[in-house]
Amino acid sequence: AQSVAQPEDQVNVAEGNPLTVKCTYSVSGNPYLFWYVQYPNRGLQFLLKYITGDNLVKGSYGFEAEFNKSQTSFHLKKPSALVSDSALYFCAVRDQAGTALIFGKGTTLSVSS
Amino acid sequence: DAGVIQSPRHEVTEMGQEVTLRCKPISGHDYLFWYRQTMMRGLELLIYFNNNVPIDDSGMPEDRFSAKMPNASFSTLKIQPSEPRDSAVYFCASSLGGVRGYTFGSGTRLTVV
Repeated sequence: AQSVAQPEDQVNVAEGNPLTVKCTYSVSGNPYLFWYVQYPNRGLQFLLKYITGDNLVKGSYGFEAEFNKSQTSFHLKKPSALVSDSALYFCAVRDQAGTALIFGKGTTLSVSS
Repeated sequence: DAGVIQSPRHEVTEMGQEVTLRCKPISGHDYLFWYRQTMMRGLELLIYFNNNVPIDDSGMPEDRFSAKMPNASFSTLKIQPSEPRDSAVYFCASSLGGVRGYTFGSGTRLTVV
């Protein structure tokens, strides 16, 4: 069965510092991996996805994620955090045979000024 | 495009009452998903449709929950009778194919008292 783990409930960083939000997955075969962001009282917004190809994926708002097959990880990164990046971040996975995304429990990112 | 539209945004109801949540997907999208978000369980997939046909309803918690998609532009999630433990934010999402990211609605916050 597919599963996603986000080991940190909360990540705190200072504005201007690099940030990393961790995600590991379990899936049979090759994964399709996604990151979404949720602002308070809003729906989830798509940030980026990995389907195939280059292991470093660039997405919206300066975010990027690196696919690491050997570590079954897909960590979200940004070189310089902004206060406006503070939100709830979700990693999601599906396998090639499936359709529905399975989401992690989410990580709250808090960026302080 | 107005995006995925959910109604109502907020619903407060008494235990035992019937609740109907509504969703209008993005025109042309062939997949529709219903998710439930709670603090304890995160985002749970309830059911999804492809071309108006239910594909997987294994996430529906019990027989009190039912979902329909009578046409390509409308879906409902019904809870009858409602219970306090059904209190959550319910999201609808749609996508074109399974590989692309989903577009989420703003959600319906359900409170059962």
